[in-house]
Amino acid sequence: DTEVTQTPKHLVMGMTNKKSLKCEQHMGHRAMYWYKQKAKKPPELMFVYSYEKLSINESVPSRFSPECPNSSLLNLHLHALQPEDSALYLCASSQDSRAGLSIQYFGAGTRLSVL
Amino acid sequence: AQSVTQLDSQVPVFEEAPVELRCNYSSSVSVYLFWYVQYPNQGLQLLLKYLSGSTLVESINGFEAEFNKSQTSFHLRKPSVHISDTAEYFCAVSAPKAAGNKLTFGGGTRVLVKP
Repeated sequence: DTEVTQTPKHLVMGMTNKKSLKCEQHMGHRAMYWYKQKAKKPPELMFVYSYEKLSINESVPSRFSPECPNSSLLNLHLHALQPEDSALYLCASSQDSRAGLSIQYFGAGTRLSVL
Repeated sequence: AQSVTQLDSQVPVFEEAPVELRCNYSSSVSVYLFWYVQYPNQGLQLLLKYLSGSTLVESINGFEAEFNKSQTSFHLRKPSVHISDTAEYFCAVSAPKAAGNKLTFGGGTRVLVKP
């Protein structure tokens, strides 16, 4: 099983709303990632968790707040977003965060629209 | 730091014709190389990878890529495409000691297979 499950598939929210994106994997992976992908662009790394600790934050605005409650779950809490935050948000996981030796498996993404 | 250039943003091709997607990278250190495919409304799937060893790597669905160190390239080829190969293809690199298993993606190549 190489599945990374993301919910919801689609989300529409206003700029004053608070919402959360959820990502789950049951492959025993210890590294999890959040990416943002704008239309016709490659994914951009936002956060990396390694062994449930935040190891990389790519200077993401504080209106995005990640959380890793356990090794299988990764959340992305959203608050006071802007319309330019509308994008496909992808979650990925890998066995660990050793570069190159640990393949990243991606979920199908959550398509977020901020009105 | 690494960078990846995919020379073609779009490649239209007829069914059963061959296709080549070009990828060049820049790095001051050795890198690992990947091709990911993204079908419409889906996440990314790993197509193939080069870590070491034979410079020609193959996928189970007929794609192959060749690592050329002197030309810093990792072009993707398929001798005969199917309609189902219509997708966005991303070339990516990671450096062996990069923190957090960070992938650097190229801009993507959209392949449109026509009947």
